[in-house]
Amino acid sequence: EAQVTQNPRYLITVTGKKLTVTCSQNMNHEYMSWYRQDPGLGLRQIYYSMNVEVTDKGDVPEGYKVSRKEKRNFPLILESPSPNQTSLYFCASSPTVRGAVDEQYFGPGTRLTVT
Amino acid sequence: RKEVEQDPGPFNVPEGATVAFNCTYSNSASQSFFWYRQDCRKEPKLLMSVYSSGNEDGRFTAQLNRASQYISLLIRDSKLSDSATYLCVVNIGTDKLIFGTGTRLQVFP
Repeated sequence: EAQVTQNPRYLITVTGKKLTVTCSQNMNHEYMSWYRQDPGLGLRQIYYSMNVEVTDKGDVPEGYKVSRKEKRNFPLILESPSPNQTSLYFCASSPTVRGAVDEQYFGPGTRLTVT
Repeated sequence: RKEVEQDPGPFNVPEGATVAFNCTYSNSASQSFFWYRQDCRKEPKLLMSVYSSGNEDGRFTAQLNRASQYISLLIRDSKLSDSATYLCVVNIGTDKLIFGTGTRLQVFP
């Protein structure tokens, strides 16, 4: 089954404790992206990657890191989480059509709470 | 001006009604347009792409008006199961999709 998987689905942690949210897709998509969704603000892009070893900042990259060592995986790293990073996080992947990002396929989401 | 703007709603409609949502975008160079559906606390899922000539998928019709820079979604014969938030999505350049904040639809019996 074609899908994007994220782990963990739910996480409660404390301020400053490093964490990683994994994301994996099995559709051989070039493009992958991380979003956070907060009430009233919609989906905001954190980081994205057009291909292996290529990553770029989105609209809200502060406090996050990513890496793209393999095509299928795109982990999101919070080196020192803070309460303002409490949010619902989505990973997405997309084929590229004529070099441009196309429709995105989303993972099930990770609900993160930082106390 | 926001890059993508939607009326947040909610739109409360009875079963069987026809409802339409509009979405405006600011970048005249945008080429790709989509409508996504998102159920509460779930991931967004593609409802339909929007083509220049307009397109229809069952009870759903999407249209693009480049001159006025808006896209629309029409839902005919609304079902209870159509209750969700509908996200308008527009590309910015080749490497970004911008999501609107969504329009909430509530269909009641």
